[in-house]
Amino acid sequence: SQTIHQWPATLVQPVGSPLSLECTVEGTSNPNLYWYRQAAGRGLQLLFYSVGIGQISSEVPQNLSASRPQDRQFILSSKKLLLSDSGFYLCAWTTGVSAGELFFGEGSRLTVL
Amino acid sequence: AQKVTQAQTEISVVEKEDVTLDCVYETRDTTYYLFWYKQPPSGELVFLIRRNSFDEQNEISGRYSWNFQKSTSSFNFTITASQVVDSAVYFCALSEVGSGTYKYIFGTGTRLKVLA
Repeated sequence: SQTIHQWPATLVQPVGSPLSLECTVEGTSNPNLYWYRQAAGRGLQLLFYSVGIGQISSEVPQNLSASRPQDRQFILSSKKLLLSDSGFYLCAWTTGVSAGELFFGEGSRLTVL
Repeated sequence: AQKVTQAQTEISVVEKEDVTLDCVYETRDTTYYLFWYKQPPSGELVFLIRRNSFDEQNEISGRYSWNFQKSTSSFNFTITASQVVDSAVYFCALSEVGSGTYKYIFGTGTRLKVLA
């Protein structure tokens, strides 16, 4: 069966520090991968999505970046965090064959102080 | 551009009441998909339903039912005889084709509080 894992689950970082959130999918090949952010009262905002290794589409211009170094690995990064980067980050995957169910990870809660 | 609007930020009901969560979407595509997800206090997102744009039949699953109306671009969700366990944030989402894959756009969510 397929599983998706995110880490770390919780992170507290000072303003200006770097960020790296990792997401790994198991049990499937060639997944479409997504990063969402959930800020208080703002719903789920699509940040990045990827259809394959090295292929990243950005939805919102910001100081975050994403990379997909391996087929089932998706990384969210920042060189310098801002206070506004605080939120709940969710990784998700789908098969990409059709608009099927999005499967979400457990989420990573980031607090920038 | 695609957009999903959930105008109800928060709803409170008393247990056993029926409640309807509204979802209005905007899209230029003729082929699209609509979803509802539930986010309980634990934070994970739980898939509830997927509906494609060519299937306007309403669906019922236990106490849950969905009303899809293309004429009004709405995909509303009704919980019958609500229970405390239904307390959660509910998200409506729209999927279109973009850049070779499907983008999933979510609304801002409706927080449902069911009081005992």
